[in-house]
Amino acid sequence: DAGITQSPRHKVTETGTPVTLRCHQTENHRYMYWYRQDPGHGLRLIHYSYGVKDTDKGEVSDGYSVSRSKTEDFLLTLESATSSQTSVYFCAISGMRGGVQDTQYFGPGTRLTVL
Amino acid sequence: SQQGEEDPQALSIQEGENATMNCSYKTSINNLQWYRQNSGRGLVHLILIRSNEREKHSGRLRVTLDTSKKSSSLLITASRAADTASYFCATALTGANSKLTFGKGITLSVRP
Repeated sequence: DAGITQSPRHKVTETGTPVTLRCHQTENHRYMYWYRQDPGHGLRLIHYSYGVKDTDKGEVSDGYSVSRSKTEDFLLTLESATSSQTSVYFCAISGMRGGVQDTQYFGPGTRLTVL
Repeated sequence: SQQGEEDPQALSIQEGENATMNCSYKTSINNLQWYRQNSGRGLVHLILIRSNEREKHSGRLRVTLDTSKKSSSLLITASRAADTASYFCATALTGANSKLTFGKGITLSVRP
């Protein structure tokens, strides 16, 4: 398995509380991603990073922010969690090949429940 | 709208049979990738096919790409119960910082 971990693996929180999920990689890959996976929607990109301090929004970025202060860590923050953010969150990493992003390697996921 | 859409949504076959899954997309791509997800786990990369390739093989997997029809197929030969999983296609557009766009997935059940 690629060296990618997520923490926590499970979290239950209440509406309105801030939540931070951490993704850590040991592969020194340039690209890091946060996805959410929900039944009927597949995998949707929240935010991604193409380098330290370089981030961009995905298709479902509202209510989420990210930070990447060093290559190995990519943090996803829910400033004020809502029940609609109950989901399974996956982090992924990828390198470059031929000037284009290579395959993505996924972490084990974080199951977040917002009550 | 989804860039990659898989078909069928669900597939149930007997062990030993072949499984064919299809993916269609809308815009020109740099490459197309297939991933597998076992229940409760993260996605695992299976195979990548570039826009200038037509067919690739990896073990029991065969992927084809038809850029004129904007479609791809994943064939799993001699399926096993362990192949039971969800399968996703993902498309990468051109450009260094382009993102992967995933389809909603196909649920494959292989009956022993």
